Amino acid sequence: DIQMSQSPSSLSASVGDRVTITCRASQSINNYLNWYQKKPGKAPQLLIYAAFSLQGGVPSRFSGSGSGTDFTLTISSLQPEDFATYYCQQGHSSPYTFGLGTKLEIK
Amino acid sequence: QLHLQESGPGLVKPSQTLSLTCTVSGGSISSGNFFWTWIRQPAGKGLEWIGHDSATGNNNYNPSLKSRVTTSVDASKNLFSLSLSSLTAADTAVYYCARGEHGGVFDYWGQGILVTVSS
Repeated sequence: DIQMSQSPSSLSASVGDRVTITCRASQSINNYLNWYQKKPGKAPQLLIYAAFSLQGGVPSRFSGSGSGTDFTLTISSLQPEDFATYYCQQGHSSPYTFGLGTKLEIK
Repeated sequence: QLHLQESGPGLVKPSQTLSLTCTVSGGSISSGNFFWTWIRQPAGKGLEWIGHDSATGNNNYNPSLKSRVTTSVDASKNLFSLSLSSLTAADTAVYYCARGEHGGVFDYWGQGILVTVSS
């Protein structure tokens, strides 16, 4: 299985901050990397697919980059509704696997 | 707008079989090349892909669960189902259904259903 690691596991930030979350795959996954936002009691929401493509309806302050094994999710200016847990997930080969998540908290 | 909704028991006894259904509305389960997917999340833990099925019977399961998983798609009722046998407490989790696309992208999700395995 392809292992996905995320860092940091938690992050405190303020509204308006620029935030970057990193994700690393245990082997090359080309650009088959997706990012999800999850809030307590809600279903995960797809933010970014194929490493850098913004899902429809997702604000442009979210962006993704990377290829191969190293990827980043950037939120350019944090909004109150962005405080949540973020997961990366590889779609290169099954079993599809997720990172353990990055919990973004209000400072 | 596609909508997915899980249904099934919230409490199941150890060694029994869990059966969950995901009803799809706002679109046909037979249209397009989609993978109707099950994912779960134990409390305080990460997300685990269980497996998927398609309207053409193309299924694929996580090897860690493969011996206990069965899925099906019912196009006439626009729903798909998961069966997980030989349950233990480790199967206690929130179970999500989702639509999967090429590249393992999960673009629509149900709200999730908490399943507790306990006697």
